[in-house]
Amino acid sequence: EVQLVESGGSLVQPGGSLRLSCAASGFTFSRYSMTWVRQAPGKGLEWVTSISGNSDKTHSADSAKGRFTISRDNSRTAVYLQMNSLRAEDTAVYYCVQDGGDWNETFQHWGRGTLVSVSS
Amino acid sequence: EAVLTQSPATLSLSPGERATLSCRASQNVEIYLAWYQQKPGQSPRLLIYDASNRANGIPARFSGSGSGTDFTLTISSLEPEDFAVYYCQQRKNWPPITFGQGTRLE
Repeated sequence: EVQLVESGGSLVQPGGSLRLSCAASGFTFSRYSMTWVRQAPGKGLEWVTSISGNSDKTHSADSAKGRFTISRDNSRTAVYLQMNSLRAEDTAVYYCVQDGGDWNETFQHWGRGTLVSVSS
Repeated sequence: EAVLTQSPATLSLSPGERATLSCRASQNVEIYLAWYQQKPGQSPRLLIYDASNRANGIPARFSGSGSGTDFTLTISSLEPEDFAVYYCQQRKNWPPITFGQGTRLE
């Protein structure tokens, strides 16, 4: 059974930093690209960033470029999201997502999410 | 950027009825469109991928159709557990990956 467990969400001040983690299990981790998708309170889904199975490719939404960095550790079957220069509009539940394959951006399995709140 | 527009925003139906949800893309996304279901307080769940393929474990009452710019998610006979928000998502023209704004089925 695929399991994705996010952690690291918390309340942070504007301009602050946060690192989210996602522990993955139940599948051959290195064969799948991984993605972070977020959802602001009461709003729809927004793609944030994706990383390929061997980390040779990443793509990010314009809202994340220059501030957020996705990375992964295949030996630990974990994916990370380093978020810097956080803004109020980054407040959201952040979901860790298993893609449909390597660089197949069908979002096959979702974690339960971790809440990031940016406020003074 | 491929903008996805879902209609209607809200669909009011009763159990046993047929639901038809629409997703229109601003660019040709071929068949690279997926549908997700999200219930309150839960994570989204993949229903349909590549326009018409049901994901593992998804009941046969869910079906998807379309290609290019016009897509439809049909629920043939609504069950009480089907009342939720539905999102479409394209992966043809990325980055960025884009989602529709959602249809609330109530």
